[in-house]
Amino acid sequence: EAQVTQNPRYLITVTGKKLTVTCSQNMNHEYMSWYRQDPGLGLRQIYYSMNVEVTDKGDVPEGYKVSRKEKRNFPLILESPSPNQTSLYFCASSLSSGARNIQYFGAGTRLSVL
Amino acid sequence: SQQGEEDPQALSIQEGENATMNCSYKTSINNLQWYRQNSGRGLVHLILIRSNEREKHSGRLRVTLDTSKKSSSLLITASRAADTASYFCATRASVDSSYKLIFGSGTRLLVRP
Repeated sequence: EAQVTQNPRYLITVTGKKLTVTCSQNMNHEYMSWYRQDPGLGLRQIYYSMNVEVTDKGDVPEGYKVSRKEKRNFPLILESPSPNQTSLYFCASSLSSGARNIQYFGAGTRLSVL
Repeated sequence: SQQGEEDPQALSIQEGENATMNCSYKTSINNLQWYRQNSGRGLVHLILIRSNEREKHSGRLRVTLDTSKKSSSLLITASRAADTASYFCATRASVDSSYKLIFGSGTRLLVRP
């Protein structure tokens, strides 16, 4: 089954404790992206990757890191989480970065930073 | 800043009625997409309309696009309780090297049985 898989689905952590949210897609998609969703703000892009070893900042990259060593994986790293990073996070992928490509989303990771 | 803004923010209708949601955006676009999100879950693509199209249908969905007014509408006909979800418009700018989608804040639709 074609899908984008995020882990974990739920995470509670404390300020400053490094964490990684994994994202994997099995559709051989080139383009992958991370979003955060906050009430009233819709989805905002954190980072994106057009292909292996090619990553770039989105609209809200501060406090986050990503890597794209393999085509299927695009982990999101919070080196020193803070309470303002409490949010619902989504990974998405699309076949390419082409203008007409639709995005496929993971089920989300709900993160609480205490 | 938000490219797409949906209106209304929330909508409650009876099963069988039609639901209309509107989206406005700010810059020139290549296409506009509508996504659906069930509570706390990932978004699912519904329909894409290109900037040179004015109307598109998919099952019970009808999308219109007016580039002169920078607005789009999503009509769901003969709504069902299972249509209860949040609906987001997302735009892809004409000139944007990141090819990113910019999402609005969504319309929450409640379809009462």
